Amino acid sequence: ILNVEQSPQSLHVQEGDSTNFTCSFPSSNFYALHWYRWETAKSPEALFVMTLNGDEKKKGRISATLNTKEGYSYLYIKGSQPEDSATYLCAFAGSARQLTFGSGTQLTVLP
Amino acid sequence: DAGVIQSPRHEVTEMGQEVTLRCKPISGHDYLFWYRQTMMRGLELLIYFNNNVPIDDSGMPEDRFSAKMPNASFSTLKIQPSEPRDSAVYFCASSHDKVGTDTQYFGPGTRLTVL
Repeated sequence: ILNVEQSPQSLHVQEGDSTNFTCSFPSSNFYALHWYRWETAKSPEALFVMTLNGDEKKKGRISATLNTKEGYSYLYIKGSQPEDSATYLCAFAGSARQLTFGSGTQLTVLP
Repeated sequence: DAGVIQSPRHEVTEMGQEVTLRCKPISGHDYLFWYRQTMMRGLELLIYFNNNVPIDDSGMPEDRFSAKMPNASFSTLKIQPSEPRDSAVYFCASSHDKVGTDTQYFGPGTRLTVL
């Protein structure tokens, strides 16, 4: 069983704050790391796919970094807005290629 | 494209009944995945297909669960007989041609309640 952990489990921030959270995954047999955004009552929506150590991806105010050697990825949100409130999932793809999801970080941005 | 389509969106059934969930992947996608989401276990992969062929069904919880993909545009997940512990949201997802690195596009899910 692959261990994909996300922290914190939940987070409340004020509108305008910047925030970040962590995904930890096995450092061996790495193939890819995915980040998804999951709003309540909707389906997960892809943010990034990263495959190389040192990868950095950015989409608007959201960015992510990847360290495959130590087995972690950070997701950053700059200037959080209420519409950023969602659960952010990471998913690890190892040698078997299929995705193993973390349990998510639930972000609430307070106006 | 309409995205991944799942039906029904909600299903309420009684223990022991057969349940069939349906999925239409995005046209041109080679991979189709079935996931189950529960509070206890989060989002877990049940089975996935490549070009209509089941590749890995190690996540299927027991023999009561079966999945088929008779053609590139349709898949079913069947539970027979259903039990209350099968209550969950079942998601179907599809991706283009590289499992692991291609983005998976999720359907809206089917919320199953077994009484």
